[in-house]
Amino acid sequence: DSGVTQTPKHLITATGQRVTLRCSPRSGDLSVYWYQQSLDQGLQFLIQYYNGEERAKGNILERFSAQQFPDLHSELNLSSLELGDSALYFCASSWNRGTNTGELFFGEGSRLTVL
Amino acid sequence: GENVEQHPSTLSVQEGDSAVIKCTYSDSASNYFPWYKQELGKRPQLIIDIRSNVGEKKDQRIAVTLNKTAKHFSLHITETQPEDSAVYFCAASNNFNKFYFGSGTKLNVKP
Repeated sequence: DSGVTQTPKHLITATGQRVTLRCSPRSGDLSVYWYQQSLDQGLQFLIQYYNGEERAKGNILERFSAQQFPDLHSELNLSSLELGDSALYFCASSWNRGTNTGELFFGEGSRLTVL
Repeated sequence: GENVEQHPSTLSVQEGDSAVIKCTYSDSASNYFPWYKQELGKRPQLIIDIRSNVGEKKDQRIAVTLNKTAKHFSLHITETQPEDSAVYFCAASNNFNKFYFGSGTKLNVKP
């Protein structure tokens, strides 16, 4: 158990819909990263937050948005969903109480299926 | 932005043999290079990492080498075992921000 909690574990929805994925980081971790993993593909970096502020942005579509709340949990919002958005979305956390060993602690992922 | 390329995409070895996976990166500002192992249906987990001020690091059967000049780093697994079968990802990061991952190598260790 990494200490990172993601909900929901599975989600099935239709094209054009909007969903929200939630991530609670490890206790004390200030930074949250979001990744998209399509079938048999690598981990595509979407976005990173640190202590409530956006720190880095990767290949995140305009239809997607995220935020990190004062309690440090994060949400990834995916809108106008397309079939190609079907993927496993991972959240990872690090920067425990401001220090960092470099290790990303991944959650179990949220599997999104768009029909 | 950073571009991390990883080869090979699949690798099949006999139990007891060695396995080598190679990655290149493009951003000279990257200074931290971790390797993650992802077993089927599970989350990626860190197995070894190396920082830019070190050329090689070893942990039991696993070693990583880094060539900053050429911008490439490699994972070496010796005496492979069936439980080493998984997908391995390399990554590059600048000061622990923006971790960019390679496309993954599916390692199959045949008993």
